[in-house]
Amino acid sequence: ELKVEQNPLFLSMQEGKNYTIYCNYSTTSDRLYWYRQDPGKSLESLFVLLSNGAVKQEGRLMASLDTKARLSTLHITAAVHDLSATYFCAVDSTQGGSEKLVFGKGTKLTVNP
Amino acid sequence: DVKVTQSSRYLVKRTGEKVFLECVQDMDHENMFWYRQDPGLGLRLIYFSYDVKMKEKGDIPEGYSVSREKKERFSLILESASTNQTSMYLCASSFWGYSNQPQHFGDGTRLSIL
Repeated sequence: ELKVEQNPLFLSMQEGKNYTIYCNYSTTSDRLYWYRQDPGKSLESLFVLLSNGAVKQEGRLMASLDTKARLSTLHITAAVHDLSATYFCAVDSTQGGSEKLVFGKGTKLTVNP
Repeated sequence: DVKVTQSSRYLVKRTGEKVFLECVQDMDHENMFWYRQDPGLGLRLIYFSYDVKMKEKGDIPEGYSVSREKKERFSLILESASTNQTSMYLCASSFWGYSNQPQHFGDGTRLSIL
């Protein structure tokens, strides 16, 4: 059974600082997704990582995937208040295209002025 | 833009009632999913469907059923609602076989069972 573990679950950081969120998973997969959720809102797709060594960047966020270590990271550079949200990673271990995802519990990020 | 529409944002029902949650997507996606989201537990998959009239159980199907009579519509049914089914329910859709495309989520239905 695939298990996905995120840490930390809560992260409070100051504007301008850097930090990394970690996503570990328990079985082989080369498909990992990062989502963002604002309070009271739905999930918004951030990154799709499909192979070992994949790296994607959008603004102050950069995601990477190491399939050998079963680890993905979401790195935040020079945080700003607008990045305050809950971030989820999700892993797909199914064959074919049915995309049955298992989500981590989420990391609630608060960026303080 | 992909649009996944859930019929209600907030719903209050009573214990024992049969509850229907509806989801419609406009992108001709083959896959559709129902999740529930609870604080501290993240998202958990209830059921998914990869084609009309096809369904597969997710991780927590007990107490739920689903219906997919048309490609664009996926319904979640609580056969006899109980208080432990109070939760946020999220519908999502995606293309089959295109793992480079993420699942797209609706705005969610916050369901309270009294």
